[in-house]
Amino acid sequence: AQTVTQSQPEMSVQEAETVTLSCTYDTSESDYYLFWYKQPPSRQMILVIRQEAYKQQNATENRFSVNFQKAAKSFSLKISDSQLGDAAMYFCAYRSAGAGGTSYGKLTFGQGTILTVHP
Amino acid sequence: GAVVSQHPSRVICKSGTSVKIECRSLDFQATTMFWYRQFPKQSLMLMATSNEGSKATYEQGVEKDKFLINHASLTLSTLTVTSAHPEDSSFYICSADSGRQGQLGNTIYFGEGSWLTVV
Repeated sequence: AQTVTQSQPEMSVQEAETVTLSCTYDTSESDYYLFWYKQPPSRQMILVIRQEAYKQQNATENRFSVNFQKAAKSFSLKISDSQLGDAAMYFCAYRSAGAGGTSYGKLTFGQGTILTVHP
Repeated sequence: GAVVSQHPSRVICKSGTSVKIECRSLDFQATTMFWYRQFPKQSLMLMATSNEGSKATYEQGVEKDKFLINHASLTLSTLTVTSAHPEDSSFYICSADSGRQGQLGNTIYFGEGSWLTVV
C-alpha cells in the first residue's frame, strides 16, 4: 500500500515571501500521479498542481511549483510571493496510474500542513 | 468546467436515525465516485469506492452496514449513515473521476462536502 507523509503540521510565511511544504511518499509502483490540494476554511478541495511520475520536468502553475525527486520519493511544493489568500490546509496526494488493482483511482492523502500567511 | 454537487451541505440528525448524503456529477458521467471522511484539522480518509451499477468497495475498518453506498446512475452516488451516533459526526466529501469506465480521467472533481452532526 502507498503512504504519503507530510512532516510539517504547521508552517507560516510572511506575505510576499517564499515557503516550501514537504511531502514524501512510499510506493513500489513506477507509474503514478502526485497532487497538491489546497483546502481553505470553506473546506472545498482545490487542485493546486499535478505531476505525472513519468515526467522529469517539475510542474509549475504561476506562483506554485514543485520539486519532484522520484528516486528520493519526494514531492515538495514551493509557493512564491505568498499572498494572504494562500492561507489554508495543504494536502499532498498520491494516485496510482496502473490499470486495475485495489488502489486503482484512489487518492491517498498526507496528513496535511496548515499554512498561515502573515501580513 | 465540470462540477460535483453534494447535498446537503449541513445536516443535524438525532442519534439512532439515518441520514442520506447525495453526490451528483452535474455535466459529466462518473462511473466511479469516492467517499471520504474528514475530522477537524485532519486528513481525508477514504471510506469507499462507489461503482455505478455494482457494489461499493469499502476500505478496511469501514462498516459497510453502517455506511450504505448506492451508485444507481452515472451521475449520482449516495451515502446513507444508518443508525447514526454522535461519533459519526464528521465532514464527508465525495469526489468523482472524469474518466470513462476502466480508464482514469485527467481530473478529479470534489464535492463541497457535507457536515454531519448527530445529537
